[in-house]
Amino acid sequence: SQQGEEDPQALSIQEGENATMNCSYKTSINNLQWYRQNSGRGLVHLILIRSNEREKHSGRLRVTLDTSKKSSSLLITASRAADTASYFCATAGLGGNTPLVFGKGTRLSVIA
Amino acid sequence: GAGVSQSPSNKVTEKGKDVELRCDPISGHTALYWYRQSLGQGLEFLIYFQGNSAPDKSGLPSDRFSAERTGGSVSTLTIQRTQQEDSAVYLCASSLQANQETQYFGPGTRLLVL
Repeated sequence: SQQGEEDPQALSIQEGENATMNCSYKTSINNLQWYRQNSGRGLVHLILIRSNEREKHSGRLRVTLDTSKKSSSLLITASRAADTASYFCATAGLGGNTPLVFGKGTRLSVIA
Repeated sequence: GAGVSQSPSNKVTEKGKDVELRCDPISGHTALYWYRQSLGQGLEFLIYFQGNSAPDKSGLPSDRFSAERTGGSVSTLTIQRTQQEDSAVYLCASSLQANQETQYFGPGTRLLVL
């Protein structure tokens, strides 16, 4: 069954503003990952947060994980036009080698 | 190699024809994954390989789809008797192990079935 569900489906902001995207999932996880996709091509891994972590930072990215609510958020601070892309969360379920399950993504548009 | 490569980049075919999509993973990566992405949608898992074996084929949409991997490296996804609903971007990814860590994606093959 579908795991990660991103919210909102689309987001449009002005350059310099912060962008927040949310991901909800249904079953227990080992880790949750965020990926970025430009122009419908390959995805690029942004950040991985494990189930025993609550917050993680990487440059202008901040990810939080609330396992009690089965949700995660991705915050991009001081957004740039180059951040325009689709952002996907992917969950790694319990059980070792089950494949990642990707959500449908949030389409972010940053207007210069 | 430097990254995951896929060929062809684009493929236009006629309904009923067979197509082969190729994926060349990062050297040393034992796990390889195939996904399908329809326009504006998320990723649909198709199949993954650990080495040359495919522990999970549950995502293949029909028996027209098959995949193989030889030598623990290159993989081929074959779609027989293509249908218009097969039109999508087919993405390949690899990782060091099939352990749910970071996956590295190729640029994808955009398939259009007329």
